[in-house]
Amino acid sequence: KAGVTQTPRYLIKTRGQQVTLSCSPISGHRSVSWYQQTPGQGLQFLFEYFSETQRNKGNFPGRFSGRQFSNSRSEMNVSTLELGDSALYLCASSSDLAHEQYFGPGTRLTVT
Amino acid sequence: AQSVAQPEDQVNVAEGNPLTVKCTYSVSGNPYLFWYVQYPNRGLQFLLKYITGDNLVKGSYGFEAEFNKSQTSFHLKKPSALVSDSALYFCALGSTGGGNKLTFGTGTQLKVEL
Repeated sequence: KAGVTQTPRYLIKTRGQQVTLSCSPISGHRSVSWYQQTPGQGLQFLFEYFSETQRNKGNFPGRFSGRQFSNSRSEMNVSTLELGDSALYLCASSSDLAHEQYFGPGTRLTVT
Repeated sequence: AQSVAQPEDQVNVAEGNPLTVKCTYSVSGNPYLFWYVQYPNRGLQFLLKYITGDNLVKGSYGFEAEFNKSQTSFHLKKPSALVSDSALYFCALGSTGGGNKLTFGTGTQLKVEL
């Protein structure tokens, strides 16, 4: 099976812009989660989607949003970018509750 | 609230020696615990999980972890370290409230030297 894919792999944006990141889960996986990884805050949970519905949400401002499509692909959007949004954004998919999540390679976002 | 602690930022070990990367957790109810490894500029790779059952869990690449409920620990171990094991290791706690939210520890950098 193909793994989790994320596009783009690298992105440079300026403050105030918005960005959309894409994630394609492993075939058959209906749960997609997003995480932000920074040197200062570590790995933090953003949100999880399951069957097109947001099932869990982390403690991030409303500028961070996401959605999931009927084929389980997911996108996350960050509006009004801030310098502090520079991070590695990781997507993970899972087949069922309490099972392991499989991570994509991440999207490295740099905000200047 | 649930939490995970990895008390060591870095662990150094000689190749061929056993390694241990420590993890402790705090949660109400039964824990779902995971270990992941991250190589530079890569995503996280799943190593092993504890959901229920035997306290000694075996995973990928010769790694294993010991679940200890009384000490609320889930230490990662390997009998004989390889230089290629050098990477960043994360312990994670699954959500007990439903869904697939993971709470991660701060990570431990493992360095295996010749």
